[in-house]
Amino acid sequence: DAKTTQPTSMDCAEGRAANLPCNHSTISGNEYVYWYRQIHSQGPQYIIHGLKNNETNEMASLIITEDRKSSTLILPHATLRDTAVYYCIVHNDYKLSFGAGTTVTVRA
Amino acid sequence: GAVVSQHPSRVICKSGTSVKIECRSLDFQATTMFWYRQFPKKSLMLMATSNEGSKATYEQGVEKDKFLINHASLTLSTLTVTSAHPEDSSFYICSAGRRDQPQHFGDGTRLSIL
Repeated sequence: DAKTTQPTSMDCAEGRAANLPCNHSTISGNEYVYWYRQIHSQGPQYIIHGLKNNETNEMASLIITEDRKSSTLILPHATLRDTAVYYCIVHNDYKLSFGAGTTVTVRA
Repeated sequence: GAVVSQHPSRVICKSGTSVKIECRSLDFQATTMFWYRQFPKKSLMLMATSNEGSKATYEQGVEKDKFLINHASLTLSTLTVTSAHPEDSSFYICSAGRRDQPQHFGDGTRLSIL
């Protein structure tokens, strides 16, 4: 699976959009971009995934660049409950390899 | 959506005890489940892939005789930490999912060995 690079941490203001970047320059053609998050002391929660096209669901939007070498997860209106570690994972099979992720802190 | 249930959520036991953790997929059949371990302030580390009806596949450095995995049905995988010692204290998490679908995770088991 391709390696991903994410900022270590970021702060967001409650009610504002949170944009979480992820670089995956070695992604191959059949690898998907997945985003999960882990709230403290819980198991990871699936957020969204995509291959080439931008995706949106009730939780977030995923913007993938045309060359697929990077992506951005957008939380449209961050709340205090969105404080978590966010993981960007690139893979095309069952196994998930978790990096360090981005620790997102939403502040009131 | 798909739900994965993990039990127990917390275990505290004496050194030398064996501890069994259950992982159930509640609304779908999972031929494959995964077991992870997470130390404080660290990311999840994959320990093993649990395959229904066959032997588990362990990641490098994970002792298969220490961490026994049984996947006897399409909805249940168990992880047994045998003769647990304080260094085995950790947060253990399972996941399940169909191929080409997102993995869904249990809420984890916090194991503390005294």
